Amino acid sequence: GAVVSQHPSRVICKSGTSVKIECRSLDFQATTMFWYRQFPKKSLMLMATSNEGSKATYEQGVEKDKFLINHASLTLSTLTVTSAHPEDSSFYICSATGGAYGYTFGSGTRLTVV
Amino acid sequence: QKEVEQNSGPLSVPEGAIASLNCTYSDRVSQSFFWYRQYSGKSPELIMSIYSNGDKEDGRFTAQLNKASQYVSLLIRDSQPSDSATYLCAVMSGTASKLTFGTGTRLQVTL
Repeated sequence: GAVVSQHPSRVICKSGTSVKIECRSLDFQATTMFWYRQFPKKSLMLMATSNEGSKATYEQGVEKDKFLINHASLTLSTLTVTSAHPEDSSFYICSATGGAYGYTFGSGTRLTVV
Repeated sequence: QKEVEQNSGPLSVPEGAIASLNCTYSDRVSQSFFWYRQYSGKSPELIMSIYSNGDKEDGRFTAQLNKASQYVSLLIRDSQPSDSATYLCAVMSGTASKLTFGTGTRLQVTL
């Protein structure tokens, strides 16, 4: 089946630094990737949708300059949290779709900003 | 605003019983419906997808869809302690490729 690899699984960073999260589709070409964040005991909130080779489409209320998304190839998308602050601490999850595979989620990244 | 509603629970059922999870959605043009299971600290994993009115069975799981009532449900037969998790209902509408998730129902299967 389709596999999406997401790294790192956990990261702790200092306030003011930037963190990059990678999402790779291992055995299929992901035409579209989605980035979600999830707060404890809350549902997944879509942050942005990215298509290979084009700019990401951000959901209302998501700062595009703070959450930089790059989808440079059909198998890789990255999310960079710039100038991270404690309120950015959350569980970030990517999802990829392509062809007949439907939606496949990465394993998630637990970001803690101290 | 497109909404997907679920009872947050927890829903507690004894081992071996049937667990019934419900979901309603507001967008009438929704076409695809999904149930995901999420364990604490993990990402969601797909359990079932359903696109047409009626029932769809896969092992111990049965998804039910009623588009007229804008209602989708998930039945888990012979519930096991390993089924204890949060179950997320997700809806895809029209030609958009993005999913809208409900807040999830926490299921507890007791011994």
